[in-house]
Amino acid sequence: SYEVTQPPSVSVSPGETARILCSADAFTKEYAYWYQQKPGQAPVMVISQDTARPSGIPERFSGSRSGTTVTLTISGVQAEDEADYYCQLPDSDTYHVVFGGGTKLTVL
Amino acid sequence: QVQLQESGPGLVKPSETLSLTCTVSGGTISGYYWSWIRQSPGKGLEWIGYIHYRGSTNYNPSLRGRVSLSVDTSTNKLSLNLRSVSAADTAVYYCARGGDLAALYSCFGPWGQGTLVSVSS
Repeated sequence: SYEVTQPPSVSVSPGETARILCSADAFTKEYAYWYQQKPGQAPVMVISQDTARPSGIPERFSGSRSGTTVTLTISGVQAEDEADYYCQLPDSDTYHVVFGGGTKLTVL
Repeated sequence: QVQLQESGPGLVKPSETLSLTCTVSGGTISGYYWSWIRQSPGKGLEWIGYIHYRGSTNYNPSLRGRVSLSVDTSTNKLSLNLRSVSAADTAVYYCARGGDLAALYSCFGPWGQGTLVSVSS
């Protein structure tokens, strides 16, 4: 079955750059999305269609893609960015939506 | 501004059917894909399925045919039914709007606040 993998945790100091990688075990043509979830809250999209930043999302959030790997980059991390981040990379054969397991970003 | 609100029983007995409603306000169901996603306590997000406003669906195969989604454009409501539930189905259930184009079916936003459903006797 199609799987999407991301690291369980990433830690950075304030002002540094955080990179969270997400990889699919097979090529997919579908767009990737990234969601931020803070405790007790619903997820919020921070990156759309691989690289686009939805309205209201700070410029320090960016997305990129290379082959079967997509990356969320947070430049100049702030304390408020501490959250769980989920990538979502659907299977282009079945159009099933697949989330990565989530990455807990800790701001030291 | 579109808002989504999930509602339904907070407690369901094992082997019974979990039924939830998502009410869409501030916008219309028509023209969009709509998804249900769940999150077990302390775990990650799990996609349940999506439905197009015209009724076509796609479900997570891991739910083994237990799930069905429906949409009522006249009342601006979505429905989720999950049959033969067990403790493993205990989770916060979210509804979310997808995109308005076929290529954007998995572009989830906005989301409802979520509703916790516990499965227990």
